[in-house]
Formats: sequence, C-alpha cells, structure tokens
Amino acid sequence: DQQVKQNSPSLSVQEGRISILNCDYTNSMFDYFLWYKKYPAEGPTFLISISSIKDKNEDGRFTVFLNKSAKHLSLHIVPSQPGDSAVYFCAASGDSNYQLIWGAGTKLIIKP
Amino acid sequence: DAGVIQSPRHEVTEMGQEVTLRCKPISGHDYLFWYRQTMMRGLELLIYFNNNVPIDDSGMPEDRFSAKMPNASFSTLKIQPSEPRDSAVYFCASSPGPMGGYTFGSGTRLTVV
Repeated sequence: DQQVKQNSPSLSVQEGRISILNCDYTNSMFDYFLWYKKYPAEGPTFLISISSIKDKNEDGRFTVFLNKSAKHLSLHIVPSQPGDSAVYFCAASGDSNYQLIWGAGTKLIIKP
Repeated sequence: DAGVIQSPRHEVTEMGQEVTLRCKPISGHDYLFWYRQTMMRGLELLIYFNNNVPIDDSGMPEDRFSAKMPNASFSTLKIQPSEPRDSAVYFCASSPGPMGGYTFGSGTRLTVV
C-alpha cells in the first residue's frame, strides 16, 4: 500500500507560468515532508521541506503548502524556468521512524 | 566538499556474480542510507546506518544483500549472488541528522545479465 502518492506521472507547463506538483499521504502520523528534485543520471537533491506544525514554507520561487486535514501537500514553482525540468519526489517521515517514505515522482517538463 | 561519492557509476555483471557497490558519505554526516530505484517500485530504502551502526535493514530484499559500514567514511552494499531482477540504480545518501535533508550520491546503475 502506497503511503505517499504522486498521482501525476508527468506535468507539462509553459515557461513563466506556475507549476503545481501534488502529493497525497495516508499515514496521519507523518509529521515532516520533503521535496526532492532529480535530474537524469544524478541523485535526488533536496529542495524544500515542511513540518506539520506549519502549513506553508517558502524558499525563493518554491513554496510548499501542507493541508493536514486533507493529507495533501503541494509544491508551487513560480515562475517556472527551463532548468526546473526534472523529476520531483515527495517524501514523508514521522511516527518516530526516521525512514523516509517516497512517492513515485512526477516528471515536470517546462516548455519554452 | 565533494559530496557523497559512489562507485562505480555503472556496473554490468553476469547472473550469479558478486557485486559490491561503494559509498563515501559527506564528512561529519552521522547517517548513511542505501536506496534502490526501479521503474516499478520507485525509491526504496534498503538500509540505514547511524554512527556506522546498522539501524534498520528491513528494506533489504533478501539474504543475498548485505551492507557494511566499517568506518565513518566508507560503506559497501554487496549482492551475492546477483540476479537479473537486481538491476536498478542504487543510491547512497548521507545526512547530518535525522531531520536534515539528505545528500544523495550520483548512483550506481547496476545491470545483471
């Protein structure tokens, strides 16, 4: 059973527009969420995180929103740039377990 | 800092052979993780170490898989004997603490034929 779900395998967005990547989770004990970006032939790189005590965290063009009641988080990228084209992974941890549970990833394609 | 260093980048081996993947974590990072990425299952945690001690190896698929961390600067993941279904990209990651963002290596692409 997938505890962290990224239901969109891919997403195509025009350069300059907003990219919204979604992630749903099922375990209410998760209390820390992270987004990673992965380019081909490279390891994932940490992008941004959010603790369950917050509902928003912002870092430059990247903002993560957390809706605990809906068990949903989203990553907003504004404005989208060609270098943002990558696979984005959502991950969650909690319940006194340091193991990160990963989503399957969403491939973001930024069109010029 | 050179980041997390993995070797080799690519490994092609025949079924039944022993395979050893290597990882050098970032100096000062107390946590080291081994992940496997496949198309079917995404990123799976295999095992992680804290201060060189294996903490959770529940993700190791079979007894054919073993991991060691003899010191703070080196870890190995060994598959013996290897099988075609072990073909995947294996990532090593390290972290300074339990809630910090991981730093991943570039991965080892393993192909077992």
